[in-house]
Amino acid sequence: DAGVTQSPTHLIKTRGQQVTLRCSPISGHKSVSWYQQVLGQGPQFIFQYYEKEERGRGNFPDRFSARQFPNYSSELNVNALLLGDSALYLCASSLILIPGAGADTQYFGPGTRLTVL
Amino acid sequence: QKEVEQDPGPLSVPEGAIVSLNCTYSNSAFQYFMWYRQYSRKGPELLMYTYSSGNKEDGRFTAQVDKSSKYISLFIRDSQPSDSATYLCAMSEAGGTSYGKLTFGQGTILTVHP
Repeated sequence: DAGVTQSPTHLIKTRGQQVTLRCSPISGHKSVSWYQQVLGQGPQFIFQYYEKEERGRGNFPDRFSARQFPNYSSELNVNALLLGDSALYLCASSLILIPGAGADTQYFGPGTRLTVL
Repeated sequence: QKEVEQDPGPLSVPEGAIVSLNCTYSNSAFQYFMWYRQYSRKGPELLMYTYSSGNKEDGRFTAQVDKSSKYISLFIRDSQPSDSATYLCAMSEAGGTSYGKLTFGQGTILTVHP
């Protein structure tokens, strides 16, 4: 089975630009979460989507937004890019058999490396 | 103060050594505890998943959770050069508004040399 896929692999943008990152979850998984990993740090939670609805949001500015499509794939958008947005953006998918019953096992994709110049 | 503290290392050990990796946390609501392995320029790979306190063993890996001390550990026996990676601890609350949010430690860089 294919794992979580993300595109593009690498991206270079300049300050002030906008970027869209894409994620396809593992087949059968209905939840997608997004994380930002700055070099030398652990991933930081940005969003979780389940059944096309936002279920969780981390401490990120409104420049960050996301959505989930009927096929459960997801996009992360970042507007007005800053130098500090340079990071590895990770997407994780999970099954969620019983929403709210407990932490679901999250499987990560390879990430999109964003460089802001 | 960060919710999860993890010694970034780096940690260098000879092949065959027993490796101990640790995290402490401050949020008593954490109920689920995970260890991920991340190779350079790759996404994190789930190694161990435990609920509440106790031990869990899987091959050469043993995860321990001590909720009374807010302390979790991962032990790697008979370490191999292929174990060289960054090891991330992650934690999650049970349900509520924090559902689905994993809180990670900084990661410990491990090198196993032949």
